[in-house]
Amino acid sequence: AQSVTQLDSQVPVFEEAPVELRCNYSSSVSVYLFWYVQYPNQGLQLLLKYLSGSTLVKGINGFEAEFNKSQTSFHLRKPSVHISDTAEYFCAVRMKTSYDKVIFGPGTSLSVIP
Amino acid sequence: NAGVTQTPKFRVLKTGQSMTLLCAQDMNHEYMYWYRQDPGMGLRLIHYSVGEGTTAKGEVPDGYNVSRLKKQNFLLGLESAAPSQTSVYFCASEAGGPVDTQYFGPGTRLTVL
Repeated sequence: AQSVTQLDSQVPVFEEAPVELRCNYSSSVSVYLFWYVQYPNQGLQLLLKYLSGSTLVKGINGFEAEFNKSQTSFHLRKPSVHISDTAEYFCAVRMKTSYDKVIFGPGTSLSVIP
Repeated sequence: NAGVTQTPKFRVLKTGQSMTLLCAQDMNHEYMYWYRQDPGMGLRLIHYSVGEGTTAKGEVPDGYNVSRLKKQNFLLGLESAAPSQTSVYFCASEAGGPVDTQYFGPGTRLTVL
């Protein structure tokens, strides 16, 4: 079975400061990794995804994530956050085989303080 | 191109009442999903469909039924609503593949009294 852990349920950060949102996963098979963002009162939208190749993945809005296979992690980073980055962020995994389902983590609420 | 739409946006039910949530997508996607979102629990999969006429159970299917009679529509039914079904419900669709992006609707906020 697969599972996704996001240890930080809430992350407050000052505007223009860097941020890292942590994601760890557990799976007995190879997986694809995703980060989705949910702005207030909206559905989720894709930030970025890791498929293969370079372990550093760049996404929209200046976000990037690094895949670490040995630590089974896929942490999301941004060097300088903006007020508009205030949102809920979800890490997700999908098995490379039997890929009809996506497993989402519990989410991290990022609050950017002016 | 509206993407994924959900009807209704809000609903209040009394315990024991029934209702149907409608999800529609205009992207000709094969796969469709129903999730519920509760505080601190992320998104949990209720039911999903990998094509017209097919449905499958997800993580939390009890108390819900679904139908996919047309490719563009995915209906979620609550036959006898319970307070534990108070939640925000999201529908998503995708083309169908291991690296595909899921496209989400705006959500339906359901309260069961």
